[in-house]
Amino acid sequence: DGGITQSPKYLFRKEGQNVTLSCEQNLNHDAMYWYRQDPGQGLRLIYYSQIVNDFQKGDIAEGYSVSREKKESFPLTVTSAQKNPTAFYLCASSPPRGVTEAFFGQGTRLTVV
Amino acid sequence: EDQVTQSPEALRLQEGESSSLNCSYTVSGLRGLFWYRQDPGKGPEFLFTLYSAGEEKEKERLKATLTKKESFLHITAPKPEDSATYLCAAMDSSYKLIFGSGTRLLVRP
Repeated sequence: DGGITQSPKYLFRKEGQNVTLSCEQNLNHDAMYWYRQDPGQGLRLIYYSQIVNDFQKGDIAEGYSVSREKKESFPLTVTSAQKNPTAFYLCASSPPRGVTEAFFGQGTRLTVV
Repeated sequence: EDQVTQSPEALRLQEGESSSLNCSYTVSGLRGLFWYRQDPGKGPEFLFTLYSAGEEKEKERLKATLTKKESFLHITAPKPEDSATYLCAAMDSSYKLIFGSGTRLLVRP
């Protein structure tokens, strides 16, 4: 089955630690995205990548970093510089530039303890 | 500034009671308007894409429509399994998706 796999489903982080969220897709999509979702708010774009070895900041990139070394993978690192990292993180992918829908993974819920 | 606003924030319906969800947008160079369904703790699931004013799409009890300023998601004779959060998103001229904050729908038996 083609799809997007995010892991882990739940993640707990101590303050001051960096953590990395995994996102893998086998849809052969060029574009991949990371969104953050907080209760009562819409999805906010963190980073996106249209092609391997290239990525751009979204609206709330501070305190986050990404890499895109392979077409299938787009990991997100939440660094200690992110002041309020507790949230639901969603990864998505879509075909390259076009008015097509984005397909989402099942999300990772990150909690700072 | 590009913006997408959904209303109401929450909606409670009795099973069989039809209603509509609203999505107002101010987006430069709209390329498409998307509707998603999201269940608690899950990722959004794609429902519809609308490309131009006047367009309509249907799927089971759901019907989405688009005007130059807003989109509606009509739910006809809803069932409890339709309970979810419904998200709309507008794609701007740079192919960026701008999401609304969603409408939480609860359908009681």
